[in-house]
Amino acid sequence: RKEVEQDPGPFNVPEGATVAFNCTYSNSASQSFFWYRQDCRKEPKLLMSVYSSGNEDGRFTAQLNRASQYISLLIRDSKLSDSATYLCVVQSRGNTGKLIFGQGTTLQVKP
Amino acid sequence: ETGVTQSPTHLIKTRGQQVTLRCSSQSGHNTVSWYQQALGQGPQFIFQYYREEENGRGNFPPRFSGLQFPNYSSELNVNALELDDSALYLCASSLGTTIYEQYFGPGTRLTVT
Repeated sequence: RKEVEQDPGPFNVPEGATVAFNCTYSNSASQSFFWYRQDCRKEPKLLMSVYSSGNEDGRFTAQLNRASQYISLLIRDSKLSDSATYLCVVQSRGNTGKLIFGQGTTLQVKP
Repeated sequence: ETGVTQSPTHLIKTRGQQVTLRCSSQSGHNTVSWYQQALGQGPQFIFQYYREEENGRGNFPPRFSGLQFPNYSSELNVNALELDDSALYLCASSLGTTIYEQYFGPGTRLTVT
């Protein structure tokens, strides 16, 4: 079983749609949680951190459920520029703080 | 931009050869982590260097090795290249280990033929 699991998609949505991504993680001792965005053939870039209380950044809302070991990302009013791969990332507890990535979910927003 | 640079951008090697990839960390960052991203997969942790010492390693064979220099730049060396080593190699620098945010460089795309 992978440590971080995501539905790879692709999710094809029209502009203006609301889309939700989910992921689950297996290590209950994980300490930090993130969503990264990766454009084709580019490096991953931090989109937002994820907290149990939920956090919002403009059109993006992230939520963490530690009991269910579940992380979500909601994108409202999708733009063409949101087309990318969204990586669910868990930071391990330990001496390295290594990042453990999911496979990524591909989003394609169409006009 | 993150201030993390990597070289070269692209590289083509033949199976069995050796390769060295380079990473310059963001100013003030003493920790460099290396990741391998195969096509269609998320990045996987290779190892981390902190103050010139290896600080942790993922599930990669010993032919993957690294160095960190006094200026905190780093190298990733891969010996006896295999076709499956074809991937995007990413380095990330941070202020320290554990909880600090990691800033990624643009990556080196390695193709092994």
